[in-house]
Amino acid sequence: GDSVTQMEGPVTLSEEAFLTINCTYTATGYPSLFWYVQYPGEGLQLLLKATKADDKGSNKGFEATYRKETTSFHLEKGSVQVSDSAVYFCASHSSNTGKLIFGQGTTLQVKP
Amino acid sequence: NAGVTQTPKFRVLKTGQSMTLLCAQDMNHEYMYWYRQDPGMGLRLIHYSVGEGTTAKGEVPDGYNVSRLKKQNFLLGLESAAPSQTSVYFCASTSFRGSNQPQHFGDGTRLSIL
Repeated sequence: GDSVTQMEGPVTLSEEAFLTINCTYTATGYPSLFWYVQYPGEGLQLLLKATKADDKGSNKGFEATYRKETTSFHLEKGSVQVSDSAVYFCASHSSNTGKLIFGQGTTLQVKP
Repeated sequence: NAGVTQTPKFRVLKTGQSMTLLCAQDMNHEYMYWYRQDPGMGLRLIHYSVGEGTTAKGEVPDGYNVSRLKKQNFLLGLESAAPSQTSVYFCASTSFRGSNQPQHFGDGTRLSIL
């Protein structure tokens, strides 16, 4: 079945450091891909998405490119801030099943 | 604009007790979902609904029941709570099944079963 794998956390960075959170997926067909962010005590919020190969999603300085050849959707940010501290979830949406499959989440902690 | 509202936010139950979690959305969304979030496991789908009066099983449905009597509400019931059901529960909704539509999440219900 479909699955999403994220790099294990926690990831601890200093402010202004470069961030990469790896995400790979397995799926039948060509799913849409999402990154969600969860701040402490809150629900998940959509961060960015890409719906087809080579699409780049971007929002709030975060970017991710849909790479069909490597089945990856890695999240990047050039300069993280303390306010970016949160849990990040990669997810794939199967048009066949209509369901969203989540990775296990990666905790990011940014220190001043 | 409230979006997706979950009640209660916190609850402690004893093993064997029953309770209902309520999810309400004001966006006129057709699709609604219940997930549970456990450490290191991401979110797992419990049940979902593709419209008023319909429900379907997700990945981990055992021990839960759901109802969607009104389009805006999706109820999750635990008939006989077990410690394994200690988790954070999230409700989500989306306008339709299309793959480029994001799901909108509530803030969660933290449930502890003693």
